[in-house]
Amino acid sequence: DAGVIQSPRHEVTEMGQEVTLRCKPISGHDYLFWYRQTMMRGLELLIYFNNNVPIDDSGMPEDRFSAKMPNASFSTLKIQPSEPRDSAVYFCASSWTAAENQPQHFGDGTRLSIL
Amino acid sequence: DAKTTQPNSMESNEEEPVHLPCNHSTISGTDYIHWYRQLPSQGPEYVIHGLTSNVNNRMASLAIAEDRKSSTLILHRATLRDAAVYYCILGDQTGANNLFFGTGTRLTVIP
Repeated sequence: DAGVIQSPRHEVTEMGQEVTLRCKPISGHDYLFWYRQTMMRGLELLIYFNNNVPIDDSGMPEDRFSAKMPNASFSTLKIQPSEPRDSAVYFCASSWTAAENQPQHFGDGTRLSIL
Repeated sequence: DAKTTQPNSMESNEEEPVHLPCNHSTISGTDYIHWYRQLPSQGPEYVIHGLTSNVNNRMASLAIAEDRKSSTLILHRATLRDAAVYYCILGDQTGANNLFFGTGTRLTVIP
């Protein structure tokens, strides 16, 4: 099992540029989550999908953020235009549906720096 | 989101047991108690979860109070690799594993 795969691991770009973060969930998992982690705010849920459909995007900070899941094995989080305050570590996680709560499996994150 | 309260930090000597406490006095009947940990420069990692009964797995044990208003994560023998931030989280079994990560407990393991 390869685990949740995120790319890139690090991204440094200038303010105003478009940023695209990518995630491949664990095969067979029905839920996919995007989180953001900063020193000030900790780990925050941005959006999650169930069977490729966005269910709750109330954590998405602004219209500059968008997320898609075109198929069960791929999701993107896009920031356009990017701003310095978007600098953070972005994590993707996936989980399997079942009767009980199932654990979320996290990727290693993308460390984003906006200059 | 139902809230949990954890100490900001704890220390343990290597190879000693560690008991990480968590208070969740507003827990509802459908809330599971989850524990995750985050090692430096890594994503959070699932440790254990439970509803009412104590739980054991290869990583740790979870002791849940009879009234469910508190729980304790037990690492039986701390190693340097266990140094991490440990998060105690309540998750509604009727929901979609929507987890709220608080500030957690930073565990330092002393060699």
